[in-house]
Amino acid sequence: EAGVAQSPRYKIIEKRQSVAFWCNPISGHATLYWYQQILGQGPKLLIQFQNNGVVDDSQLPKDRFSAERLKGVDSTLKIQPAKLEDSAVYLCASSSGGGLASYEQYFGPGTRLTVT
Amino acid sequence: GNSVTQMEGPVTLSEEAFLTINCTYTATGYPSLFWYVQYPGEGLQLLLKATKADDKGSNKGFEATYRKETTSFHLEKGSVQVSDSAVYFCALSERTGTASKLTFGTGTRLQVTL
Repeated sequence: EAGVAQSPRYKIIEKRQSVAFWCNPISGHATLYWYQQILGQGPKLLIQFQNNGVVDDSQLPKDRFSAERLKGVDSTLKIQPAKLEDSAVYLCASSSGGGLASYEQYFGPGTRLTVT
Repeated sequence: GNSVTQMEGPVTLSEEAFLTINCTYTATGYPSLFWYVQYPGEGLQLLLKATKADDKGSNKGFEATYRKETTSFHLEKGSVQVSDSAVYFCALSERTGTASKLTFGTGTRLQVTL
């Protein structure tokens, strides 16, 4: 079974530029998550999709971050404009659990963003 | 809100030593509890989980017991190996409505030496 795929793996941009990350979840997984992991901290949920609908985006900085999940499969996360404090690893995860708390989330390798 | 507190690292042990990484949580309901591991250069992987009080999760020699009375989920291993060197994250998941999300601790780096 193929895992969660993410690209690019690394990205370096200047502040005020825009950037986009792509995620392809495990086939058949209805739930998709984007997390932000700042160095030395645990991952923090940014947004959660159930199929192609948003179920939780309470911690997404909506003035600069946006995300979509077209057709309930792939997802993109965009930052525009980027700030220095956006430097982090962006993790995508998927789950088959339909929101059940006990279901495992499978994580991709992450995209390491450096904003200079 | 929900939160997870882990012991700070790094934890440095010699091979074959006993490992304990403490984890306590605060939650309003009945969460599921997880330990995830992140090896160098890799993504997060589920190590073990427990879904209700007194459950014991175990995998690869690691184990943790869901203690509701002490709101704890400490990770233990009787004899660590160099290959166990990684960052370990304790996390809880609670369902609210149609959503559930993981709340992570800050992670504990384990370094095992020969």
